Amino acid sequence: QSVLTQPPSVSGAPGQRVTISCTGTSSNIGEGYDVHWYQQLPGRAPTLLISRNSNRPSGVPDRFSGSKSGTSASLAITGLQAEDEADYYCQSYDSSLSGSVFGPGTKVTVL
Amino acid sequence: EVQLVESGGRLVQPGRSLRLSCAASGFTFDDHAMHWVRQAPGKGLEWVSGISWNSDRMRYADSVKGRFTISRDNAKNYVYLQMNSLRPEDTAVYFCAKGGPPILTGYFDYWGQGALVTVSS
Repeated sequence: QSVLTQPPSVSGAPGQRVTISCTGTSSNIGEGYDVHWYQQLPGRAPTLLISRNSNRPSGVPDRFSGSKSGTSASLAITGLQAEDEADYYCQSYDSSLSGSVFGPGTKVTVL
Repeated sequence: EVQLVESGGRLVQPGRSLRLSCAASGFTFDDHAMHWVRQAPGKGLEWVSGISWNSDRMRYADSVKGRFTISRDNAKNYVYLQMNSLRPEDTAVYFCAKGGPPILTGYFDYWGQGALVTVSS
């Protein structure tokens, strides 16, 4: 049971827009800690997708965007492509646990 | 090019110890916090431990506190995870991850390919 919650799965047709929510509490996202997002392709190590709520590292397509408000954050994928099929994880820091925490992950399926 | 290469993963019996190593290259090692993250078979990511750039702060997940110890050698560009009193539920792929900022509260901008640890009799 993660302190951050995400939907188990989302799906969309190619070209569509999908969003993944990440809901935290007052000891993590709500306390002001940044939210970061990772993409994990099947059988691969995770890669950083969005840092500090909304920043895209070099090389990440601008189809991916992030936002944060209150105790929640969201990852949006616009113009969904087949190569976007992967697991997506949000991550933040929790002051009560004194450590980083991940959401349970969301599997994105391209129909 | 940033590279993180884990080693030391293997099959080990419950109650035994194991040390994982992570060799880092391609960046100024002592400018960054370093972390270990694990992933049990078919499960999600779990942060395990982190160490600040100068080793003055270490943090652990509750699930490993008191059993695992993280350390680093800035002269050799290595980070280690000493795992004692291993349990079957510690079975996972262990990833070494580079912290983006030097603080422990940040993101992980590069990951190794992982080392498989299997705890079973």
